Amino acid sequence: AQSVTQLGSHVSVSEGALVLLRCNYSSSVPPYLFWYVQYPNQGLQLLLKYTTGATLVKGINGFEAEFKKSETSFHLTKPSAHMSDAAEYFCAVKDNDMRFGAGTRLTVKP
Amino acid sequence: NAGVTQTPKFRVLKTGQSMTLLCAQDMNHEYMYWYRQDPGMGLRLIHYSVGEGTTAKGEVPDGYNVSRLKKQNFLLGLESAAPSQTSVYFCASSYSRGGQPQHFGDGTRLSIL
Repeated sequence: AQSVTQLGSHVSVSEGALVLLRCNYSSSVPPYLFWYVQYPNQGLQLLLKYTTGATLVKGINGFEAEFKKSETSFHLTKPSAHMSDAAEYFCAVKDNDMRFGAGTRLTVKP
Repeated sequence: NAGVTQTPKFRVLKTGQSMTLLCAQDMNHEYMYWYRQDPGMGLRLIHYSVGEGTTAKGEVPDGYNVSRLKKQNFLLGLESAAPSQTSVYFCASSYSRGGQPQHFGDGTRLSIL
C-alpha cells in the first residue's frame, strides 16, 4: 500500500523567504501526487497535482512542486513567502486509494 | 454557490450516545467521502460512496455507518459514540473517483466525553 511522509510537522519562515515543504512517498505503481492547503476552520483546498507528463507542476498562489521519481519525492516550494501562506499543508498520494501525509504547519514571520 | 455543506459544525456527545452528521453537495458529484482528521495523522478515509444507493468502507470504518439515499446527501452515523471518535470530520465530493476529492466541507468538530 502506498504511504506518504512529510518531513517536519512545523516549518517557520520569514516573509519573503523561500518556502520548502518536503514530501516523500512510497507506491508500488506510478502514483498520482497532490498538495492540499488547509486554512483554520476550513476544509482542504487542492493546490496542485501531478498525474503524468511534466514533472514540474505549477499550482495556485505561486506554489509549485517537482516530481522526482529517483528520490520518491514531491516537495512543495514557493520562492517568496507571504503572510497569507500561513496554513497547514498536506501531501497525498493516490494509486488505488488516496493516502494523506500527517501535515506540515507553515508559519510566516513578519 | 454552496459547494459542500456539513451540519452541524460542532457537537459534544456523551459516550454511548448516537448522532448523524449530514453532508450535502450541490455540484451533482457522483463520489462522496467521509474523512476524519486527527492531530499528526492527516486525513483518513472512513467510508465513501460512488453513487446514489451505494457505499463502501475506507481505511477506518469501524464504529461508523453511512447512507446515500439521495445523490446530493451523504450521512455519517455513530450508533454508540466512543471517546476514540473525538475528531474533526470532513466530507468531500468529486465528479469521479479516478481523480481526487475536489471539494471539501468546512468540517464538523465532534467531542465525545
